[in-house]
Amino acid sequence: DAGVIQSPRHEVTEMGQEVTLRCKPISGHDYLFWYRQTMMRGLELLIYFNNNVPIDDSGMPEDRFSAKMPNASFSTLKIQPSEPRDSAVYFCASSFRQGSYEPQHFGDGTRLSIL
Amino acid sequence: SQQGEEDPQALSIQEGENATMNCSYKTSINNLQWYRQNSGRGLVHLILIRSNEREKHSGRLRVTLDTSKKSSSLLITASRAADTASYFCATPEAGGTSYGKLTFGQGTILTVHP
Repeated sequence: DAGVIQSPRHEVTEMGQEVTLRCKPISGHDYLFWYRQTMMRGLELLIYFNNNVPIDDSGMPEDRFSAKMPNASFSTLKIQPSEPRDSAVYFCASSFRQGSYEPQHFGDGTRLSIL
Repeated sequence: SQQGEEDPQALSIQEGENATMNCSYKTSINNLQWYRQNSGRGLVHLILIRSNEREKHSGRLRVTLDTSKKSSSLLITASRAADTASYFCATPEAGGTSYGKLTFGQGTILTVHP
């Protein structure tokens, strides 16, 4: 079975540009999570969806960040305008059904560098 | 705020030795999970231990949970070079929410030398 697929794997862009990260969760998974990983702050949950509906976006750092899930097989995380401090690895993860007992399945991430 | 804190931050051992990593957390939980992250890759779920379990095994992995001390340990026996990775504990968000929202610790970087 295909795992969580993220694109692009690497993104280098200049400050002020719009950045769009993409995620395809595992088919049949009801939950989708976006995380950011940095050396300083570790792995932070930004937002998560249940059945395409955003449930908790309290981790989104500021209004420059937005996330959508137009259907069960696709989600985007957008940063506009981007800033150098947004440089990090962004992970998407999905899990099957509700419950804290469900393991999360991660994609291999997008390494984002804002110059 | 961090719920799980791993110890040590880094561990370097020789192939064949055992590796032990510890995780402490602050609030009551219903389960604790361990994940592995290879360099440049996403996290991979290793094992989950429920709050009513003291110990759990999976292959060369042994996980213990002490809810009275709010701590867990991950033991990898007979380590291999392929075990080189970062290891994270993860706990449900404080308050026992059942919505699958996990908080990850900072991780232990394990290096296994051939």
